[in-house]
Amino acid sequence: AQKVTQAQTEISVVEKEDVTLDCVYETRDTTYYLFWYKQPPSGELVFLIRRNSFDEQNEISGRYSWNFQKSTSSFNFTITASQVVDSAVYFCALRMDTGRRALTFGSGTRLQVQP
Amino acid sequence: GAGVSQSPSNKVTEKGKDVELRCDPISGHTALYWYRQRLGQGLEFLIYFQGNSAPDKSGLPSDRFSAERTGESVSTLTIQRTQQEDSAVYLCASSFNRYRATDTQYFGPGTRLTVL
Repeated sequence: AQKVTQAQTEISVVEKEDVTLDCVYETRDTTYYLFWYKQPPSGELVFLIRRNSFDEQNEISGRYSWNFQKSTSSFNFTITASQVVDSAVYFCALRMDTGRRALTFGSGTRLQVQP
Repeated sequence: GAGVSQSPSNKVTEKGKDVELRCDPISGHTALYWYRQRLGQGLEFLIYFQGNSAPDKSGLPSDRFSAERTGESVSTLTIQRTQQEDSAVYLCASSFNRYRATDTQYFGPGTRLTVL
């Protein structure tokens, strides 16, 4: 069985602050895939990143960066110099390499960026 | 259209009525998924289609829920005899599904179902 935990239900920051969203996962598989999606107030989930378990390089894309640590089963997401447009619910998700193809989602973290 | 589309965007129905929700995947995507998102919660998987067959229906919560897909195109999720606990946003996603390592699901805007 697999599980994704996003312990932070809601985070509020002031614009330009850095913020890290935590994601911890559980799986018995050795190969798996991790995802982050953004759900703005409009409701549509927007794909942000996919990380394969055999690639432990961290990734940076503009103000976004992801820290994948297999040793702690974590895949954390940092937004640098946050902006009001970053306000959304962020979901971390896990998919197996064999068996079930559906995503297992965490419960999400609501990020509010105040001007 | 480039993305996944869903209709209707909003549906209000009375308890006990049947509803049909439609999903149009991205052209060329062989895999299609339905998820449900209750208010303030994460997404729960309902059913997965590969082409027009459904190898994984394990998330359907009861036999009131069913889904069909025509070829590698439109899918319809049907909820019979709706109950108030069926109120949620129903999200559809599609993907190429050729290689697991590069497979990414892209989501539609969802249908908000309210059962009175």
